[in-house]
Formats: sequence, structure tokens, C-alpha cells
Amino acid sequence: NAGVTQTPKFRVLKTGQSMTLLCAQDMNHEYMYWYRQDPGMGLRLIHYSVGEGTTAKGEVPDGYNVSRLKKQNFLLGLESAAPSQTSVYFCASSRGAAWGNEQFFGPGTRLTVL
Amino acid sequence: ELKVEQNPLFLSMQEGKNYTIYCNYSTTSDRLYWYRQDPGKSLESLFVLLSNGAVKQEGRLMASLDTKARLSTLHITAAVHDLSATYFCAVHSGGGADGLTFGKGTHLIIQP
Repeated sequence: NAGVTQTPKFRVLKTGQSMTLLCAQDMNHEYMYWYRQDPGMGLRLIHYSVGEGTTAKGEVPDGYNVSRLKKQNFLLGLESAAPSQTSVYFCASSRGAAWGNEQFFGPGTRLTVL
Repeated sequence: ELKVEQNPLFLSMQEGKNYTIYCNYSTTSDRLYWYRQDPGKSLESLFVLLSNGAVKQEGRLMASLDTKARLSTLHITAAVHDLSATYFCAVHSGGGADGLTFGKGTHLIIQP
């Protein structure tokens, strides 16, 4: 099993450009999450999904959109990138609350917005 | 709003010594998680603590949870260089699928 994978691993954007980050998991997990990590800080939740076709806002959702059209994939979109969105983005998945909601993380995407 | 505070945020220690990292959180929760992150890498799950009084051990690391005090500890016994990393605690505040609220992390350096 590959676990949680993310593409791309690195990306540089100019202000105003758009892009989509892809997260895929092969563990048949119901829940999926997007976090961002900034220097000296823990991770902060952007959006999450409790199942195919559902999404919800986290702590820092502004400037991002998400979609979960298939159970195994969770997409994070930036419609008009800003320098404040320079960060490392981590996707995570979990089996669900009944199993302790332990989250498993992908390798991360390092995004720089110039 | 749930707040999670770790201390210390930075710790330099010698091999062979013992030390404890503390994680305090501000609202009621019975689920707490510890993760390890190596530089430039992803987060690795270390411990999942799901009830008051839970204690888990793996090698030289031991984690405990006191939900009444809203406190978790990560104890390192006879530290070795390979344990150098950043350690995060995270709390699950919701009853459903809410994400985790993380502390800022403890950057641990273990000197030979």
C-alpha cells in the first residue's frame, strides 16, 4: 500500500495564478483532511471531508476550495494564489472516529507564491 | 476556541538523559495524539491516547494523558541521537470527524 500520496511535491506560483493539489489514499479511509504548516507553527486545518461528496471548513479556509468526488481523492484548489499561501501543505486521512480517528499524513507539498 | 500549548518549544539534551515534554490544552477532550516530524519530512504517528489515564510506551518514549488536568506528557528515557526530531501533540476536540488542533511542536536535539 502506498498510504497517502500527494502531487506535486513542489510548486512555485506567481501571485494570482491558480493550481490544484491532489491527495490520494489507498486505505479506504472515510475521512480526509488538508492542513498547512508554516515555520515555527503546528499544522492548521484548512478543510476536511467525512465522505465522498462532502466537505467542511476548518480553521483557515479562506482562499481555498476543495472537492471530494471520489472516496480515495481529495483535491485542494487555490483560485488566485497570494504570497500568504506560501506554505507546506499536508493531506491526511483517517478510518473514522470509531477507530480513534488516528490520522495518517502524506509527504507534503511545498508551495511558494511569488 | 481550542488551544494547545507545548513546552518546551526547544530542547537540547545529552544522550542518556531523561526528559519530559508537556502538552496542555484548553477545552475538554478525551483524544490526544503525538506525532514525530523529521526535517523536511511528513508526520509520523507515535501515540493515540483515547481515555483518561491512558499510558502508552514504545521503546524509549512513553506518553500519558490526564483529561482532568487537560495535560499529556511525552517522556523520553535515556535519550539517543536518533530521537532528535520535532514532536507535536494534537487534540481532537469534536465528536465527529473534526480535524486536529496542533501544538507548535517541540524541537528536540539530542547531543552525542
